[in-house]
Formats: sequence, structure tokens, C-alpha cells
Amino acid sequence: EAQVTQNPRYLITVTGKKLTVTCSQNMNHEYMSWYRQDPGLGLRQIYYSMNVEVTDKGDVPEGYKVSRKEKRNFPLILESPSPNQTSLYFCASTSRRGVEGYTFGSGTRLTVV
Amino acid sequence: AQSVTQLDSQVPVFEEAPVELRCNYSSSVSVYLFWYVQYPNQGLQLLLKYLSGSTLVKGINGFEAEFNKSQTSFHLRKPSVHISDTAEYFCAVSGSNSGYALNFGKGTSLLVTP
Repeated sequence: EAQVTQNPRYLITVTGKKLTVTCSQNMNHEYMSWYRQDPGLGLRQIYYSMNVEVTDKGDVPEGYKVSRKEKRNFPLILESPSPNQTSLYFCASTSRRGVEGYTFGSGTRLTVV
Repeated sequence: AQSVTQLDSQVPVFEEAPVELRCNYSSSVSVYLFWYVQYPNQGLQLLLKYLSGSTLVKGINGFEAEFNKSQTSFHLRKPSVHISDTAEYFCAVSGSNSGYALNFGKGTSLLVTP
């Protein structure tokens, strides 16, 4: 089944403790992206990647890092999480310049206390 | 870059009534337009998309949208809604000058009541 898999689904952590949210897709997509969803703000792009070793900042990149060493994986790294990063995070992927529409993962609900 | 404005944050409607969810976009380049639906506690599912060609686009679950270039709009419509259509709906745009990343509107919450 074609899908984007995120892990974990739920995570509670403490301020300052580094964490990684993994994202993997099995569709051989070139484009991958991370979004955060907050009430009243919709989805905002954190980082995106157009291919292996090519990443760029989205609208809200502060406090986040990403890497794209393999085509299928696009992990999101929070080096020193803070409470304002409490949010629902989505990973998404697409091919052919987005004409297929992005496929989204099921989301990761992160709480930073 | 592109941006999207969803004009209504909440739309209450009775079951079997028609509904229109409004979306306007701005862009300096040609765009692709999408509508996504998010059911409670779930991820996003693609409803329909406009890439080029016919301005009336049909999607899943009986939804359709019309691309209007002069009005820079992409409104979503359904002639008769069901209780199960209760969800959050997001309009999104992508274009060549932003790496084809999706830019989302803030969402419209559709609440269908009996």
C-alpha cells in the first residue's frame, strides 16, 4: 500500500530534550515536506526537500532541522524543544512537481512540557 | 510565493442542504489548486485538484470545485451534504516559484446537523 509513515503518533517530552520524528514514504517520491498544524492557523510548512541532499526552509523553520540522506526518509529533528513547538506535525510527499497532490502521513501529536 | 485565503472559518449547514466553501488565492505564476479534507483525529485526504484544462473539477464524495482565474477563486461545492461530511476543509495552492510546496489556507470547519 502506498503510504507515508510517521513515528511516533504521540510524544510527550520535556523542554530541551532532543527528539526526532521519523517519516518514510514507499512511493519513490522526490518531494517531501513537513508541516505543523495549530488551531486557527491551518498548516504551515516547516521544511521541504526537492530531492536527496536538497532541503529548504518553509515558513516556520526556527527550532527545527531536517535531513534527506535517502529518497524515502525525511526525519524532523528538534534539537532543543520548547513548549511553543507543541503541535500536530504532518509529513507529506509527492512526485512530478506536485501534480498528484501530496500524500500525508497520519500525524504526530507532540507535547513539550 | 503563493497564498490562500479561506473566507469562512466555520460553516454550519443542515443535512441535505447545499454548501459552498470559499477559497481565494494569490500568485504571480501559474498554480495548482487543491482541496483537502481532515476528519476528526485523522490526517489529510485529497478531495480534488485543479492542474489545468476544464475549470470545473469533480472530486470524491460528491464534491466539486470551480477554478475562476479572473476572480482568483477555487470554491468548493456539494449539492447535498451528509452528516458524515462534518470535517475540516483546507484549500491549498502550489506553484513553480516555491518548489511546488503546498501553501494552505487556515481551514473551514464544516458542521452538518440533522
